[in-house]
Amino acid sequence: QKEVEQNSGPLSVPEGAIASLNCTYSDRGSQSFFWYRQYSGKSPELIMSIYSNGDKEDGRFTAQLNKASQYVSLLIRDSQPSDSATYLCAVNKAGGFKTIFGAGTRLFVKA
Amino acid sequence: GAVVSQHPSWVICKSGTSVKIECRSLDFQATTMFWYRQFPKQSLMLMATSNEGSKATYEQGVEKDKFLINHASLTLSTLTVTSAHPEDSSFYICSARDVQGLNYEQYFGPGTRLTVT
Repeated sequence: QKEVEQNSGPLSVPEGAIASLNCTYSDRGSQSFFWYRQYSGKSPELIMSIYSNGDKEDGRFTAQLNKASQYVSLLIRDSQPSDSATYLCAVNKAGGFKTIFGAGTRLFVKA
Repeated sequence: GAVVSQHPSWVICKSGTSVKIECRSLDFQATTMFWYRQFPKQSLMLMATSNEGSKATYEQGVEKDKFLINHASLTLSTLTVTSAHPEDSSFYICSARDVQGLNYEQYFGPGTRLTVT
């Protein structure tokens, strides 16, 4: 079992729709959770971080965390073609030293 | 805030030569910096973790004598690819963690594209 698992996609949604990206993790003691966006040929960019159960909203982005189910998700409302990228889920393991990245989900938003 | 720079952004070198890549945190101090490598259409691969003033910790399978890492200050880490070969051609990305941050956020540099001919 991978430490951080994501569906590789591609996930294709029409412009204006909600894109839902999911991630599961194996270390039950994990404390910090992140979503990064990576455009093709570029480095990852931190877009959301979440530390407690529930939802956290920032503009069109909502991160959701359920520690009991060891599940993190990212919702992108009103998806735009510029949202087309690979989204990386990252989890900071218990003890805080190392951050584990998922392989990423490719998202395509069709105009 | 939380800006990380890398230099150079791209480099072409001949097989057998060495290349140094610099990673700087511009507006914060970084206790820990990370070096990643990414091949086309593949995932990020952590190569090593460096802490200021101490030796880097390398991931399994990464040759520490080939990829030399120095974290000389709280704002600068360098990766030197020694005796580079075409198979070392890749996208090298550093990231840094804020010394003040208790939330373990990592900020990435823009990356360095290395081509070995």
